[in-house]
Amino acid sequence: LAKTTQPISMDSYEGQEVNITCSHNNIATNDYITWYQQFPSQGPRFIIQGYKTKVTNEVASLFIPADRKSSTLSLPRVSLSDTAVYYCLVGGDFSGGYNKLIFGAGTRLAVHP
Amino acid sequence: GAGVSQTPSNKVTEKGKYVELRCDPISGHTALYWYRQSLGQGPEFLIYFQGTGAADDSGLPNDRFFAVRPEGSVSTLKIQRTERGDSAVYLCASSLMESVNTEAFFGQGTRLTVV
Repeated sequence: LAKTTQPISMDSYEGQEVNITCSHNNIATNDYITWYQQFPSQGPRFIIQGYKTKVTNEVASLFIPADRKSSTLSLPRVSLSDTAVYYCLVGGDFSGGYNKLIFGAGTRLAVHP
Repeated sequence: GAGVSQTPSNKVTEKGKYVELRCDPISGHTALYWYRQSLGQGPEFLIYFQGTGAADDSGLPNDRFFAVRPEGSVSTLKIQRTERGDSAVYLCASSLMESVNTEAFFGQGTRLTVV
């Protein structure tokens, strides 16, 4: 499974756009890129998933360059409630029949007033 | 409820005791995962069920850990002879398998403390 590298922590202020970049140099052809968000005392929550180019939903955007060796999660106009840990996952081991989720340490985002 | 339910939410046990942690997945979800999360770290994969069978138990740390899912729905994670190092939050997740883009839904976890 492809290993991911992302910043340990980031700080931002309310109303700013936050971009978290994840490196995954060894991504395989059939791998998808998925981001999860985790608040304290809660389980991770799916944010967004993509394979290539750009994906946007009501929460975030995901930018994936053509070589797919990195991806950027973009959170528009963050608020205090966006303070959480964000995980970048790469996988989709469908040859094994399931989508194995391997989490790294994640990025701790702190949003300040 | 509509989400993944885990019970108990907190469990304190003495070293050497046996514990069972329960997971009720979302109805209809055939895939079920167990993870363990220590403070400041990401969730660590333990075991995956597809239906009733454990398709991948490569993450179980040793033979004190065992999990079952006898009817393909509720799952129980069992830990024998607990050790202080087993203290962590144990997370359960479930997902549908029909789609390639399988979003996993996590429960709130069981916080296990071994004293």
